[in-house]
Formats: sequence, C-alpha cells, structure tokens
Amino acid sequence: SAVISQKPSRDICQRGTSLTIQCQVDSQVTMMFWYRQQPGQSLTLIATANQGSEATYESGFVIDKFPISRPNLTFSTLTVSNMSPEDSSIYLCSGRTGDSPLHFGNGTRLTVT
Amino acid sequence: QKEVEQDPGPLSVPEGAIVSLNCTYSNSAFQYFMWYRQYSRKGPELLMYTYSSGNKEDGRFTAQVDKSSKYISLFIRDSQPSDSATYLCAMKEASGTYKYIFGTGTRLKVLA
Repeated sequence: SAVISQKPSRDICQRGTSLTIQCQVDSQVTMMFWYRQQPGQSLTLIATANQGSEATYESGFVIDKFPISRPNLTFSTLTVSNMSPEDSSIYLCSGRTGDSPLHFGNGTRLTVT
Repeated sequence: QKEVEQDPGPLSVPEGAIVSLNCTYSNSAFQYFMWYRQYSRKGPELLMYTYSSGNKEDGRFTAQVDKSSKYISLFIRDSQPSDSATYLCAMKEASGTYKYIFGTGTRLKVLA
C-alpha cells in the first residue's frame, strides 16, 4: 500500500492568512483526495485532486477557498485561503490505486486564531 | 438521518475482552465496507476491507457484514491496551465510484 506523507503536521495561523499543505505519496496512485476531519464529525471529502487539471470539488467546497494542485501522480497541495477560526480542523490527504481502498497520510492539524 | 451511524463511545473494556464495534447504514447500494483505526494525532489506517456480505478474519480482528440488516461489525479478540484508538467504519457503492461515506468513529479504551 502507498505511504503518504504530509507536511506540515500542524500549524497555528492567523485569521486572514493562507496555508499550503503538501502531500507526497511513495508510489503512483491513480486518485488522490483531500478530506477534512472535524471533532465529532465524520471525514468529509473536500475534493479529488486531478493530475494536470482542475480539482473536482464536493458540494460546499470551492476552488477560491481551497485551491488544489496535482502536477504529477505522486504530489498534491491543498491551500486553505483567507482562513477563519471555522477552518480549524485536521486536513487529510489520501490516495488509492485502481479500486483498492483508500490510504491516508497522518494529517495536518490546523488551528486558526 | 445520516447515511452511516456509529456510536461515538467512549467504549472502555478490560484487557483481554472481546470488543464489538458496529455501524448501521441506510443506503442499500453500499457494496464495499472498510474499518479504519486512528490513533491520536495520526491518520486513519486501513484495518479491514470487505466486499458484500459475510465474515472476514485477520488475526484478532473479524469484520462482519449483514446487508439484509444494513449492519456491519468489527470484533477484536483478546483486546490489548495498544488497541486503544478511534475506529472508523467506511462504505462505498459499486466498483468505479470514488466516494467513501464514513462513520463518526468510536473511541475505544482498553484498560490494562
């Protein structure tokens, strides 16, 4: 199974600033995804990161707020833009190959003050 | 009503106990069922992956799917303090779809 590395592992940011989270996988995966995990809530899919093209966003998430890049099969970034305290959460990168199950990175714990 | 329901716990058991973790769901189109274990400050780690109904065993872990009741379970035998974690169930529809639906997770504490 793919090993997925994320950085930073945590950050504390000021309201109104932006943070870019990086995700690297150790093998080529066909699909990469970004999830959000908030306390007491189930994992919520933000978007599918598409190689070389615009990401596919789920309902409630927009590109202006969460721009995503995936320049190649093994790397993706998620930016959380113009942050507010409501964006405080764990952001998880995940990937899968073919129809195999999802694997996750260790997440980025974001606190917005 | 949520598509997937999972008791958040916490569930506290003594070491050596058999643990039963459960999820119910409403979407009869779900075909693939997963259990993830998440330790504090870590990402979810895949534990079990099953297709359709039936049982699957891996060491001390057994996953059970009852599609007629829309109910899945994860059993942990001879539980250890190292099993203390949050357990997430996840489901998805037929092959080719990408969207997983997760439960909120059950926090398990195994007491030494």
